[in-house]
Amino acid sequence: DTEVTQTPKHLVMGMTNKKSLKCEQHMGHRAMYWYKQKAKKPPELMFVYSYEKLSINESVPSRFSPECPNSSLLNLHLHALQPEDSALYLCASSQALQNEKLFFGSGTQLSVL
Amino acid sequence: ELKVEQNPLFLSMQEGKNYTIYCNYSTTSDRLYWYRQDPGKSLESLFVLLSNGAVKQEGRLMASLDTKARLSTLHITAAVHDLSATYFCALHNAGGTSYGKLTFGQGTILTVHP
Repeated sequence: DTEVTQTPKHLVMGMTNKKSLKCEQHMGHRAMYWYKQKAKKPPELMFVYSYEKLSINESVPSRFSPECPNSSLLNLHLHALQPEDSALYLCASSQALQNEKLFFGSGTQLSVL
Repeated sequence: ELKVEQNPLFLSMQEGKNYTIYCNYSTTSDRLYWYRQDPGKSLESLFVLLSNGAVKQEGRLMASLDTKARLSTLHITAAVHDLSATYFCALHNAGGTSYGKLTFGQGTILTVHP
């Protein structure tokens, strides 16, 4: 299994909603990443977890809350988002931070109304 | 801060022609990636280049790395319509508190037409 699985594929939420994005891998990878990609822009790093510990937080607003409950799972909890948060959210994993092979999931397309 | 610049940002090619996309970066890195992205889809890994002079080829695409010039190129040979996509280069932040972060170029939107 060489896949990074993201759910849901599409999500529409209101500004007062609370929702979560889920990312799962069963490759034994110990580094997991969240990237945000606005339309026609490059992906931008949000968070990195290494061995279930938060390694990088790119000054992301607190309405985005990451969680890594175990080595296979990465969540992104969303609360009180703004319309400008609408984007494609990509999860990725690698064996470790120093490993060059990075696997991206298919993404969650988020629309905030 | 690592900066990555691609050019051109838009490329309209005729089928059968050759062209090159350039990726310049500002500080040293231990690895450089090339990705392809189709509209609304995720990133497809094309190449990872690890050392000066590295050259990798897959089908009609060939990537090279010159670490002294801080330049990578993605060369397209005899373009076909299926190559139409957005192409990103990305550099790995090799040190400091950003170790593990990929910084992407702006992307090159490639359109191949008959």
